[in-house]
Amino acid sequence: DAKTTQPPSMDCAEGRAANLPCNHSTISGNEYVYWYRQIHSQGPQYIIHGLKNNETNEMASLIITEDRKSSTLILPHATLRDTAVYYCIVLPRGAAGNKLTFGGGTRVLVKP
Amino acid sequence: EAQVTQNPRYLITVTGKKLTVTCSQNMNHEYMSWYRQDPGLGLRQIYYSMNVEVTDKGDVPEGYKVSRKEKRNFPLILESPSPNQTSLYFCASRADSTDTQYFGPGTRLTVL
Repeated sequence: DAKTTQPPSMDCAEGRAANLPCNHSTISGNEYVYWYRQIHSQGPQYIIHGLKNNETNEMASLIITEDRKSSTLILPHATLRDTAVYYCIVLPRGAAGNKLTFGGGTRVLVKP
Repeated sequence: EAQVTQNPRYLITVTGKKLTVTCSQNMNHEYMSWYRQDPGLGLRQIYYSMNVEVTDKGDVPEGYKVSRKEKRNFPLILESPSPNQTSLYFCASRADSTDTQYFGPGTRLTVL
């Protein structure tokens, strides 16, 4: 599976957009980009995923570059409850076992 | 409400005393798995199950057992717990048709 690189931490002002980058330069053609987050010691929570097109749901938007070597998760209006560790993962669709391996992630602190 | 539940949420026990952590999902998902999360080591898969009566080892299965007699339940059994099994445990499930995993709230286990 491709490895990902994320900044270890970032701060964001409440009400502003939070843009979380992820580098996955070794991603292969059948691998999807997934984003999960984990609020302190709670179960990880799925946010969004995509292959090559930009995606949007009620939680966030995912922008994937044309060469697919990087992506950005956008939280459009960050709230204090968005304070969490955000993980970017790449996985082939339907991988046997569908094991999730979280790297260090980005610790996002939303400030009032 | 669609959810994954785990019990107990917190458990302190002693070395060698058999214990079971239960996991149940109400989404009719085929796939279920167990993870442990430790500081500095991230999330590691213990066992997974693709469907009833079908289980397989993840990355760290030693010292654990599982069973999948019903689709909704996937208990994790520690026959003889040891202090190195002190950890935060998560159960997860997903539908066969998607790759989105839903996690339980976690079980914090301490083995003295």
